Amino acid sequence: ETGVTQTPRHLVMGMTNKKSLKCEQHLGHNAMYWYKQSAKKPLELMFVYSLEERVENNSVPSRFSPECPNSSHLFLHLHTLQPEDSALYLCASSPTGQGAFEQYFGPGTRLTVT
Amino acid sequence: GQNIDQPTEMTATEGAIVQINCTYQTSGFNGLFWYQQHAGEAPTFLSYNVLDGLEEKGRFSSFLSRSKGYSYLLLKELQMKDSASYLCAVRGTYSGAGSYQLTFGKGTKLSVIP
Repeated sequence: ETGVTQTPRHLVMGMTNKKSLKCEQHLGHNAMYWYKQSAKKPLELMFVYSLEERVENNSVPSRFSPECPNSSHLFLHLHTLQPEDSALYLCASSPTGQGAFEQYFGPGTRLTVT
Repeated sequence: GQNIDQPTEMTATEGAIVQINCTYQTSGFNGLFWYQQHAGEAPTFLSYNVLDGLEEKGRFSSFLSRSKGYSYLLLKELQMKDSASYLCAVRGTYSGAGSYQLTFGKGTKLSVIP
């Protein structure tokens, strides 16, 4: 039980589809993150929301659009994706502040773009 | 910029000790994390170092030298279930609104053999 849930766990979509990934955390954290994990590459940070404010956006293509309606929920809206966007998308949450606060990860959504 | 290096793969024998090294060059440093990730699962937190020295937690220990930009994860009394990828991650500069960015290495895939 990680306290961070993601749905769906697997998603296959065509390049013209629109879909959304959902993340929910039950840990009372104030920061949430989207990461992309591709084979042979490090975890890449895509977006950070802290106190419901987007504080980091690492030049992610506009075909990925995040939404954070409150501190417990995070969405990643997907449209007109490319095959190279196929990857594991991980959501994480953490407390805010300078303490030894690790990030707690959800199980991920395995995305395949055809 | 951020650069984190760790070996791609390692193999060790059940019951033995293995050391996984991580070197980093980052523009800011606010701590180093080690995560374990079993295939197809979410990364889970193992350890955190922010000051130089050794942190011990049961069979796992982590060491940090900030002046050398170097850390290692030491796993003792290896068990088959320790076969996983081990991710080194550096917490960098303050991102705003109480959050800090984590930059991950590519991970070291450890195989424990009988």
